[in-house]
Amino acid sequence: QSVLTQPPSVSAAPGQKVTITCSGSSSNIGKNYVSWYQQVPGTAPKLLIYDTNKRPSGIPDRFSGSKSGTSATLGITGLQTGDEADYYCGTWDKSLSVGRVFGGGTKLTVL
Amino acid sequence: VQLVESGGGLVQPGGSLRLSCAVSGFTLSNYDMHWVRQATGKGLEWVSVIGAGGDTYYSGSVKGRFTISRENAKNSFYLQMNNLRAGDTAVYYCARESPYLDGLDVWGQGTTVTVSS
Repeated sequence: QSVLTQPPSVSAAPGQKVTITCSGSSSNIGKNYVSWYQQVPGTAPKLLIYDTNKRPSGIPDRFSGSKSGTSATLGITGLQTGDEADYYCGTWDKSLSVGRVFGGGTKLTVL
Repeated sequence: VQLVESGGGLVQPGGSLRLSCAVSGFTLSNYDMHWVRQATGKGLEWVSVIGAGGDTYYSGSVKGRFTISRENAKNSFYLQMNNLRAGDTAVYYCARESPYLDGLDVWGQGTTVTVSS
């Protein structure tokens, strides 16, 4: 059971927009930045969003991040077949002990 | 900038393994470094972090069994895993956390640990 809750799957057609939610609590998302990772099966995760809403160089502006209270959202516009992957949210949690936590992951299917 | 893990393999329950992560392209001493694992078909699970200053933190599932360490002069950091259990079977990734952003910005390719008799 992951500390952060994500929907197991989302899907949309090419060119459409999709959002992936990440729900946490006041000890993690409520107090800290959120990051998002893209993982194509069989490969290592790749940083997509850091500091809740910033993109590393090379990440297109079709990807965006936001946060409200204890939930965060990843948005992807202009969906492409190459966006099919698993997406994970992550943050720090400082409740019982200090450590990073991840969501359970969301599989994006581009129909 | 590159991270390369090594040391994975097959080990019996109760056994030990030491994973290594060799870094290149940046100054290791300036960065917090993490281990993250992923069981087959499952999500990412954070394991441990060692700060640039040497402070260490562990997930509850490995605390007391795993030890993270670093040798900046050798451009490497490590995960000593003792008393391994079947539930520790996973791909183990090392990852870098930049002091300039909140997120794990560079990842290794992973090394597979299988705990089985």
